[in-house]
Amino acid sequence: QVQLQESGPGLVKPSETLSLTCTVSGYSISSGYFWGWIRQPPGKGLEWIGSIYRSGSTYYKPSLKSRVTISVDTSKNQLSLKLSSVTAADTAVYYCARVGCSGNSCYPESWGQGTLVTVSS
Amino acid sequence: QSALTQPASVSGSPGQSITISCTGTSSDVGSYDLISWYQQHPGKAPKFLIFEGTKRPSGVSNRFSGSKSGNTASLTISGLQAEDEADYYCCSYAQSGTSVVFGGGTKLTVL
Repeated sequence: QVQLQESGPGLVKPSETLSLTCTVSGYSISSGYFWGWIRQPPGKGLEWIGSIYRSGSTYYKPSLKSRVTISVDTSKNQLSLKLSSVTAADTAVYYCARVGCSGNSCYPESWGQGTLVTVSS
Repeated sequence: QSALTQPASVSGSPGQSITISCTGTSSDVGSYDLISWYQQHPGKAPKFLIFEGTKRPSGVSNRFSGSKSGNTASLTISGLQAEDEADYYCCSYAQSGTSVVFGGGTKLTVL
């Protein structure tokens, strides 16, 4: 059974870059699936950030595209998220997820427990 | 990207059935079976409930079911239980990956 675990700094200063890692166990990232990042500001709903396929193809939410980089390290079985020029609006719980696809659709089917990142000086 | 509209809250008594709607457009909900549903308890990660609009992954109770009519997808929970009290989200995600959006979420209260 796949397990995902996010890790990274819990506090980031405004204008700096948020960097998170998601370590995957129980499944090899290089074997398939999309892998994604989703965030949830405190007390608010879920927001899709972007996804990546094993080939390295990436898809980002248009409003975040200029600041986001998602990558995979198959040797470590990890995916990473970098979000630059952060502001207080980027304060959120960040989740990584394995994304299954069938038919015409995809769906985040397995989630990490999430990690809270606060943007503050 | 268009938004998916969910009611802010719904409520029901134990044993009853409730339905949560998720309204989109002909480009997402109306065209394909793009909708998935998630349950989230406070402080926890979302749990995957429904995919392709109506299908349940293994291990999910058959008390949860999905349907679609026009541009509105729905999640029905039958035989409501106290543990069903949570937030519920719909998601539209086409395989192209270029248009992914979550609904605003619905808080279910079990009276």
